[in-house]
Amino acid sequence: DTAVSQTPKYLVTQMGNDKSIKCEQNLGHDTMYWYKQDSKKFLKIMFSYNNKELIINETVPNRFSPKSPDKAHLNLHINSLELGDSAVYFCASSQARRATLSYEQYFGPGTRLTVT
Amino acid sequence: GEDVEQSLFLSVREGDSSVINCTYTDSSSTYLYWYKQEPGAGLQLLTYIFSNMDMKQDQRLTVLLNKKDKHLSLRIADTQTGDSAIYFCAERPTKVTFGIGTKLQVIP
Repeated sequence: DTAVSQTPKYLVTQMGNDKSIKCEQNLGHDTMYWYKQDSKKFLKIMFSYNNKELIINETVPNRFSPKSPDKAHLNLHINSLELGDSAVYFCASSQARRATLSYEQYFGPGTRLTVT
Repeated sequence: GEDVEQSLFLSVREGDSSVINCTYTDSSSTYLYWYKQEPGAGLQLLTYIFSNMDMKQDQRLTVLLNKKDKHLSLRIADTQTGDSAIYFCAERPTKVTFGIGTKLQVIP
């Protein structure tokens, strides 16, 4: 029944390590996103993929690399983790509805990344 | 550029109405959204309004849009303790941009 799922839910790691977060949606949507929410709850888009193609790439360090093996999956790999990467990362998906073009997004539960 | 602003905090008593305000800058926004984030959870779409509408009502929720002032508000009637959450407004000209979020605290 889960619409947008992310793994892991919690991730604690040391500076300098490389880690990946996975996201899957079973809604049949064609667009997926990664957002970063900092400690002050500010939500900032990082990447967006439409039909496996990168369409939004905000100012994000090169250490962050998204990969979309298919429309239902969008993974986020982070190299050389830094303290400032600590945040909650949300995956989301949407589908442009032909009738309304409303683009409402459905969010995953988030992955809380703590870098020590 | 795109910028969405909200007040950070709102406290109301249970049973009262809550009004959360938001201002946006991009007049080409076609859709404006309200999302709710409960503690430890992802964002959940509450409602959205198309830019050619002034008002949209959905049960206890009323969205008002003033395009001239680029002002969006969410009114929650008969606020309940379960409404305690952070509320994000968002606009979509080309991509969705979220405000910083308003934390609503409902006092029993």
